[in-house]
Amino acid sequence: ETGVTQTPRHLVMGMTNKKSLKCEQHLGHNAMYWYKQSAKKPLELMFVYSLEERVENNSVPSRFSPECPNSSHLFLHLHTLQPEDSALYLCASSQTGRENTIYFGEGSWLTVV
Amino acid sequence: QKEVEQDPGPLSVPEGAIVSLNCTYSNSAFQYFMWYRQYSRKGPELLMYTYSSGNKEDGRFTAQVDKSSKYISLFIRDSQPSDSATYLCAMSEAGSARQLTFGSGTQLTVLP
Repeated sequence: ETGVTQTPRHLVMGMTNKKSLKCEQHLGHNAMYWYKQSAKKPLELMFVYSLEERVENNSVPSRFSPECPNSSHLFLHLHTLQPEDSALYLCASSQTGRENTIYFGEGSWLTVV
Repeated sequence: QKEVEQDPGPLSVPEGAIVSLNCTYSNSAFQYFMWYRQYSRKGPELLMYTYSSGNKEDGRFTAQVDKSSKYISLFIRDSQPSDSATYLCAMSEAGSARQLTFGSGTQLTVLP
């Protein structure tokens, strides 16, 4: 079992749909992250949860809504997305004190049509 | 100017070649430097981690940091087809993943 598991791996949704991405970490970490990865662009940090508290929101559009019910689970709720939101969404986790060592999931490929 | 510049490639080399991957950066406060490897359709995995200037070796991989030039490198010796992936550099000022700044990645193909 991988350390950070993401579902679904692939998602196609219309602009009026509502969907959610799920992430679960099995590493006992206390911080979780959502990143967006677009072609030829650097990874963009979207949300951080540390000790279940959202630490910052990097000016991400409100059509992306994170939820962290506990230290092992993280969701990204999606609604009324735009085609430019099509990308690979990566979940990651880390442990306080070793925060430069983050572990990524395999990602959820999102296509907005 | 981007904070971290990384040549996107693609870079193709024959098996057994020495590969050099590089990133330049503008923020002189960066102290922590990392290299991630990302296989196609997979998430990035941490390959090398260094603090401040100097070299670090791990098997066929050597990470080099030159803070005076704001330049970091990853060398792969005796490259293998299994090394074919996208390599991402990342760096931060403090030991916090929240502050990680990534390069856009270099796509490497090692031809058998």
